[in-house]
Amino acid sequence: QVHLQESGPGLVKPSGTLSLTCGVSGASFSSSNWWSWVRRPPGKGLEWIGEVHHSGSTTYNPSLKSRVTVSLDKSKNQFSLMLNSVTAADTAVYYCARLVVLTGSYYFDHWGQGILVTVSS
Amino acid sequence: QPVLTQSPSASASLGASVKLTCTLSSGHSIYSIAWHQQQPDKGPRFLMKLNADGSHNKGDGIPDRFSGSSYGAERYLTISSLQSEDEADYFCQTWDTGIQVFGGGTKLTVL
Repeated sequence: QVHLQESGPGLVKPSGTLSLTCGVSGASFSSSNWWSWVRRPPGKGLEWIGEVHHSGSTTYNPSLKSRVTVSLDKSKNQFSLMLNSVTAADTAVYYCARLVVLTGSYYFDHWGQGILVTVSS
Repeated sequence: QPVLTQSPSASASLGASVKLTCTLSSGHSIYSIAWHQQQPDKGPRFLMKLNADGSHNKGDGIPDRFSGSSYGAERYLTISSLQSEDEADYFCQTWDTGIQVFGGGTKLTVL
């Protein structure tokens, strides 16, 4: 049973850095899958942020690329998100997810429960 | 890159059926998509991957009441025998080289 759990501060000051971790159980980082972050601002839809592969490769949403880093810590079975220079527009529920790769298809098959991060002074 | 279009809202009565639509942008009609459900105050849940030919692979534990179909650039999610817990937001998702794309989501109300 694959389980993902987000953790980190729920409040970040404007211009600061948002830092979240996703703990993973029931799955291996050594497969072909990717490990992703997605967010949902209040009253809006889902927005893909970026992901990391066990090889260390990363892909990011072009609109966030200059501010985002996603990394993997295999020894701790977790992956992380850092988003710098945050503003109120970054206030959202942040989800970690597994992006499965199957016969050329890429889709999220397991999700965390989410963590609300508010950007405010 | 592909764009996914969904109606913002839909409604249907308890016990009835509803068909939600996700439309792929021009030039992307052969793309597969995935459907996800997000109940209030919960994380999203993967429902199924849906191919252009209508074949689909459902996630673990997804009831038979949920089915998918395709026609041209449109991808459908049909929910039969609606239950109160089906009241949720439904998102479609697809991919292209190095990116993931979400539709705007449909809020389903069960009357």
